[in-house]
Amino acid sequence: GAVVSQHPSRVICKSGTSVKIECRSLDFQATTMFWYRQFPKKSLMLMATSNEGSKATYEQGVEKDKFLINHASLTLSTLTVTSAHPEDSSFYICSAPPGTSGRFTDTQYFGPGTRLTVL
Amino acid sequence: GEDVEQSLFLSVREGDSSVINCTYTDSSSTYLYWYKQEPGAGLQLLTYIFSNMDMKQDQRLTVLLNKKDKHLSLRIADTQTGDSAIYFCAESIRPGTASKLTFGTGTRLQVTL
Repeated sequence: GAVVSQHPSRVICKSGTSVKIECRSLDFQATTMFWYRQFPKKSLMLMATSNEGSKATYEQGVEKDKFLINHASLTLSTLTVTSAHPEDSSFYICSAPPGTSGRFTDTQYFGPGTRLTVL
Repeated sequence: GEDVEQSLFLSVREGDSSVINCTYTDSSSTYLYWYKQEPGAGLQLLTYIFSNMDMKQDQRLTVLLNKKDKHLSLRIADTQTGDSAIYFCAESIRPGTASKLTFGTGTRLQVTL
């Protein structure tokens, strides 16, 4: 089945630094990828839609200058948390739909997540 | 706006049935999903149902949908310790590829011996 990987799986950084998280589709191409944020004991909240070859679409309330998204290729999207602060600590999950047919079963495949801790 | 709610925690004994409930508010929801998240891992799609269906069964999993009440449930028969995880319901108004998913708050299922 389709596999989505994320790197790193866990990162600890100092306040004020920037952190880059990679999301890769390993055996399929994805023109669209989604970035979610999950707070402890909370649901996943969609942050933005990453589009290959064009700008990302951000959800309301998400600072695009804070969370930079680059969809560099059909298999890679990166999320950079700039000038990270402790309140940015969270579990970040990406997902990618494996096909473009629009079939219902072409649902999203999720990466394993990246836990970011900002000290 | 969209809002999907679930109870936070459910504890069942191994071998019993588990029922996880979900309510949603968006009447235009057309596709409803159940995802499983194991500790430190991403989400795994378990099953899904169209809004024009009332029930769907897939091995140990049974999904019931009451569209009038906007209520969705997931029943796991013969619950095993490996079923311990967080279960999320999610909804979208269109299928597959570029659909935006709205997730519920998640229900943590604990299976005891």
